[in-house]
Amino acid sequence: DAKTTQPPSMDCAEGRAANLPCNHSTISGNEYVYWYRQIHSQGPQYIIHGLKNNETNEMASLIITEDRKSSTLILPHATLRDTAVYYCIDSEGGSQGNLIFGKGTKLSVKP
Amino acid sequence: SQTIHQWPATLVQPVGSPLSLECTVEGTSNPNLYWYRQAAGRGLQLLFYSVGIGQISSEVPQNLSASRPQDRQFILSSKKLLLSDSGFYLCAWSELAGANQETQYFGPGTRLLVL
Repeated sequence: DAKTTQPPSMDCAEGRAANLPCNHSTISGNEYVYWYRQIHSQGPQYIIHGLKNNETNEMASLIITEDRKSSTLILPHATLRDTAVYYCIDSEGGSQGNLIFGKGTKLSVKP
Repeated sequence: SQTIHQWPATLVQPVGSPLSLECTVEGTSNPNLYWYRQAAGRGLQLLFYSVGIGQISSEVPQNLSASRPQDRQFILSSKKLLLSDSGFYLCAWSELAGANQETQYFGPGTRLLVL
């Protein structure tokens, strides 16, 4: 079973920021926070990951609370192509960590 | 840059028939390789992973097997398919980028329907 909890769905207006929350109540010290998304009928796409510090890349920003019990993925200017299911995962990474995908958040970006 | 390929993209097979799905990775050496299955409306389930040629670890008992005949080739097989083998099969790769940092990157997937 997934270790994280996310809202089942969210809507966002095109061009606005999408803020997707995640709770990591049982995250351990050596586990990273990973975010992936899955567009319908495609393989999951890696977005970003972090350990303690906030992270930013060309796709998104990741905000991790100081106690690491929650995180927020921010898509700064959502487009229609960002409509997907977004998953947050606690994992040690690679062969040391099985990526356990929960049900994720279905983000619908609307014009 | 690294790319991962899977084929076929879709497959319809009768119950009891054999299966062979192939995954190849380009642009990296000695990657860790993974097979996942995603049943309709559900999360991903890790089936197998491999840290090197001929090294396969199975995560769940099942009707499937995996092999890694070459460094960047990972094959998922079955001798006799069951209806419950239907699903979306995903291959992924990772490489060590730092202490405990091994991001997994997924292929496009193979959608299998067993009838």
